[in-house]
Amino acid sequence: NAGVTQTPKFQVLKTGQSMTLQCAQDMNHEYMSWYRQDPGMGLRLIHYSVGAGITDQGEVPNGYNVSRSTTEDFPLRLLSAAPSQTSVYFCASSKIQGATAGNTIYFGEGSWLTVV
Amino acid sequence: SQKIEQNSEALNIQEGKTATLTCNYTNYSPAYLQWYRQDPGRGPVFLLLIRENEKEKRKERLKVTFDTTLKQSLFHITASQPADSATYLCATGDMRFGAGTRLTVKP
Repeated sequence: NAGVTQTPKFQVLKTGQSMTLQCAQDMNHEYMSWYRQDPGMGLRLIHYSVGAGITDQGEVPNGYNVSRSTTEDFPLRLLSAAPSQTSVYFCASSKIQGATAGNTIYFGEGSWLTVV
Repeated sequence: SQKIEQNSEALNIQEGKTATLTCNYTNYSPAYLQWYRQDPGRGPVFLLLIRENEKEKRKERLKVTFDTTLKQSLFHITASQPADSATYLCATGDMRFGAGTRLTVKP
């Protein structure tokens, strides 16, 4: 059981380049989300999706795009990378939105992105 | 604004002692609080969830409390071991995270 799989693990980008972080889950979860984690700050929500074809913005969406064409995949696109987007990115999935009894949130292993 | 804060950035304790981590929230009334463990270079892993009407929840050596009057959750690890060394994150039910507390258990 793979759970939540993120690729790539590490990436270095030049300012202005674009790239896509991939996220896939094999648990048939409806809810998927992307977070960034910066030193001294909690995980901050970038974008989320409550099901295929439905996406919405989180707390820090600027500079990022998402799409959800299938239940399994939820890629995060950086349109024009900036040094402020240097961070660790985590994808998460769960059956439904929000943490409740019986709705465990599963995280991927993270993608380390450096923008120079 | 709504905030969730973990007061200690780091906590060092001796093996065998009880570790107590604190999570406070302001301008907020979460229905659930949850705790995660995060090892270096890895993603967070869910540990425990507690509802606002539950005072205490236990899982093996872990115990979580939820005090809605103090607006605080405490996370305890009893009989701590070096393998418990990690960063522990608290989060609300709607997935607002604290910055985490890095716990180091020394042999």
